[in-house]
Amino acid sequence: KAGVTQTPRYLIKTRGQQVTLSCSPISGHRSVSWYQQTPGQGLQFLFEYFSETQRNKGNFPGRFSGRQFSNSRSEMNVSTLELGDSALYLCASSSRSPRGQANTEAFFGQGTRLTVV
Amino acid sequence: GQNIDQPTEMTATEGAIVQINCTYQTSGFNGLFWYQQHAGEAPTFLSYNVLDGLEEKGRFSSFLSRSKGYSYLLLKELQMKDSASYLCAVNTNAGKSTFGDGTTLTVKP
Repeated sequence: KAGVTQTPRYLIKTRGQQVTLSCSPISGHRSVSWYQQTPGQGLQFLFEYFSETQRNKGNFPGRFSGRQFSNSRSEMNVSTLELGDSALYLCASSSRSPRGQANTEAFFGQGTRLTVV
Repeated sequence: GQNIDQPTEMTATEGAIVQINCTYQTSGFNGLFWYQQHAGEAPTFLSYNVLDGLEEKGRFSSFLSRSKGYSYLLLKELQMKDSASYLCAVNTNAGKSTFGDGTTLTVKP
């Protein structure tokens, strides 16, 4: 079956602009998580959605938001972009149940590389 | 909160064995994952531990000690293609995954 698909793969934006990234999970997966990856900070958790509800949230400012649709596709939005938002944004899907069972591996997309200039 | 520590970099020789350690502090521990990430690619799943002990999968093994908050990933018969970043990730009962900063492994001939 198809893997996790993220679009676009690359994006260049100007400071102050806003951006929307898209993630289509593996068919049947209802949990979608977003991560920011930078060389200095590693992989930082942004948020997780399950059945259109945000279930967990990391320590990012309110400029970072997301949503999930009924078909489990998810989007994340960053408003008022800053230079420090330049990073690889990874989406991961899993078949994790509502009880948050742990033994479900996450499948990552190829990511969207955002550059803010 | 959660705190996960792994060495930043390691170097080993082709054919050798290398152990990558991960220590963590968390509440509501509910499993530990290891992922491999090659440069420019997405992380891929390697192993999962929730009970104490060693899980073996081919050349890769992962060990967990919950009482010590400690895990390691053991790579045997190293190959050049094993050069990558290895990420330790801790799951909590709330279903949240927190990743370490990763260990960059360089395998030399």
